[in-house]
Amino acid sequence: DAGVTQSPTHLIKTRGQQVTLRCSPKSGHDTVSWYQQALGQGPQFIFQYYEEEERQRGNFPDRFSGHQFPNYSSELNVNALWLGDSALYLCASSRRVGQETQYFGPGTRLLVL
Amino acid sequence: DAKTTQPPSMDCAEGRAANLPCNHSTISGNEYVYWYRQIHSQGPQYIIHGLKNNETNEMASLIITEDRKSSTLILPHATLRDTAVYYCIVPAGAGGTSYGKLTFGQGTILTVHP
Repeated sequence: DAGVTQSPTHLIKTRGQQVTLRCSPKSGHDTVSWYQQALGQGPQFIFQYYEEEERQRGNFPDRFSGHQFPNYSSELNVNALWLGDSALYLCASSRRVGQETQYFGPGTRLLVL
Repeated sequence: DAKTTQPPSMDCAEGRAANLPCNHSTISGNEYVYWYRQIHSQGPQYIIHGLKNNETNEMASLIITEDRKSSTLILPHATLRDTAVYYCIVPAGAGGTSYGKLTFGQGTILTVHP
């Protein structure tokens, strides 16, 4: 059973560019959450998707947007990249129904130059 | 999420039990305690969770005090591969984590030495 997968593993962009990160949830999971982890800090919640809609959002600007597809996979888009967006971006999946744990993928390391 | 307090760092000898404490004095009656760990540059790994009873799985044991204001994660026989940051999290709301976000604090850096 494949766990949560993310692509790409590493990415380098320049300021002002746009980036798209991808996540495939664990089999049987229908909810995807995204987190940003700056160096030396704990992960910070960006938003959560269920039934192709954003259900909850953390304290992140509108430059951060997402999408969930009918197969439950998800994308995180970041526009107008800042240097401060350099971080490890983590995807976590879970099942909406019941009391289900979130399982994390390996993350995408984004470097903005 | 209920605020949690953990020591910033702990050491443990290989083969010995590692006991990681967490205070969550504002926890509500229907909120669970979750533990994750993160090995350098990897995604957080789920360890265990519990509501009020002690829990054990293949990775660890979780001891929750009767008043539920604190808990202890026990790694019974720590190995060098257990060196990681350990996070104690109490997600807001009833049930588990699917209905909301996880709020990560600074966690406890556990160093297992030979």
